[in-house]
Amino acid sequence: RKEVEQDPGPFNVPEGATVAFNCTYSNSASQSFFWYRQDCRKEPKLLMSVYSSGNEDGRFTAQLNRASQYISLLIRDSKLSDSATYLCVVNTAIMIYNQGGKLIFGQGTELSVKP
Amino acid sequence: GAVVSQHPSWVICKSGTSVKIECRSLDFQATTMFWYRQFPKQSLMLMATSNEGSKATYEQGVEKDKFLINHASLTLSTLTVTSAHPEDSSFYICSVPNGGGSTEAFFGQGTRLTVV
Repeated sequence: RKEVEQDPGPFNVPEGATVAFNCTYSNSASQSFFWYRQDCRKEPKLLMSVYSSGNEDGRFTAQLNRASQYISLLIRDSKLSDSATYLCVVNTAIMIYNQGGKLIFGQGTELSVKP
Repeated sequence: GAVVSQHPSWVICKSGTSVKIECRSLDFQATTMFWYRQFPKQSLMLMATSNEGSKATYEQGVEKDKFLINHASLTLSTLTVTSAHPEDSSFYICSVPNGGGSTEAFFGQGTRLTVV
């Protein structure tokens, strides 16, 4: 079983749609959680951290369920510019790279938003 | 502006040759840097942890004699792919932790290596 698993995708949606990404992780010792965005063959960029209480940033909402070891990302009113691959990322350390923690990436879910 | 500079952005080399990739932290000193590899349609896989002043720590299955890592200064780490073969063709990317307890990591622009 992969340490971090995501929906296989790709997701093809019209502009304005709401899109949900799901992710599960296997290591119950995981402490910090993130969603990164990666455009075609470029470096990943942090979209948002994910907190137990859930957090929102504009059109983006992230949720974490530690009991189920499940993370989600919701994009509302999707834009053409949201087209990218979304990476679920988990770290075993509370502070990134501290105490030997390392980033574990999911395989990514590709999103294509059409006009 | 960029926080991490990776060079070159792409390289094509002949089988059997060696290729050096540089990763520079522009805004702050980094005692630790990380090297990842990404094959098409796959996730980023951590190859090794580069430690300034000491040997790199390699992940299981990564050949340390093939992927040489040198962390010469607090702002520079290099990855050398020695005796490259076509199966080494991939997207190599470095990252630098923000430090100070931050949860953010900064990534270099990546290097697309094609071995022919």
